[in-house]
Amino acid sequence: NAGVTQTPKFQVLKTGQSMTLQCAQDMNHEYMSWYRQDPGMGLRLIHYSVGAGITDQGEVPNGYNVSRSTTEDFPLRLLSAAPSQTSVYFCASRWTSGGHEQFFGPGTRLTVL
Amino acid sequence: RKEVEQDPGPFNVPEGATVAFNCTYSNSASQSFFWYRQDCRKEPKLLMSVYSSGNEDGRFTAQLNRASQYISLLIRDSKLSDSATYLCVVNNRGNYGQNFVFGPGTRLSVLP
Repeated sequence: NAGVTQTPKFQVLKTGQSMTLQCAQDMNHEYMSWYRQDPGMGLRLIHYSVGAGITDQGEVPNGYNVSRSTTEDFPLRLLSAAPSQTSVYFCASRWTSGGHEQFFGPGTRLTVL
Repeated sequence: RKEVEQDPGPFNVPEGATVAFNCTYSNSASQSFFWYRQDCRKEPKLLMSVYSSGNEDGRFTAQLNRASQYISLLIRDSKLSDSATYLCVVNNRGNYGQNFVFGPGTRLSVLP
């Protein structure tokens, strides 16, 4: 099993550009989520999904869109990049029941100039 | 007030030392508790779950006090390879469904 994969690993954007961060998992997990990690802030939830066709907002959703057309994939779209979106982005997946381990992808380091 | 707070760190300890990390959480309805480890520029990985009765995994001991809303992690006989950031994580049923809330982390450096 590959676990949770993310692409790209690194990305530099100019303000106003859009892009999609890709995330896929092969563990058949229902629950997938996107976090951003900034120094001193911990991981903050951007969007999450409890299954194909179902998505919802997390703590910091502004400027981001998601969709979940399959169980495996959960892309994150930046609509119009801003310097405040410079961060490390982690995708994660787990079984829906909260007592289970959450598995993370290797992260995408995004810089917005 | 942050939902999950941790010792600010960093902790610099010699090899062989015992080190303890503290964590408090504000949501009394929190249901599950974990310690994750994050190496520099890597993704977080589960270190251990934390149970009400306390639990041990080799050199690592985790404790939970629901009344005080307090979680701890004790590392005995520290190794160089224990150097990492330790994240306290709670699982809540709140505004975002049943979701994990992460503390900011405490960085540990074990020195030779």
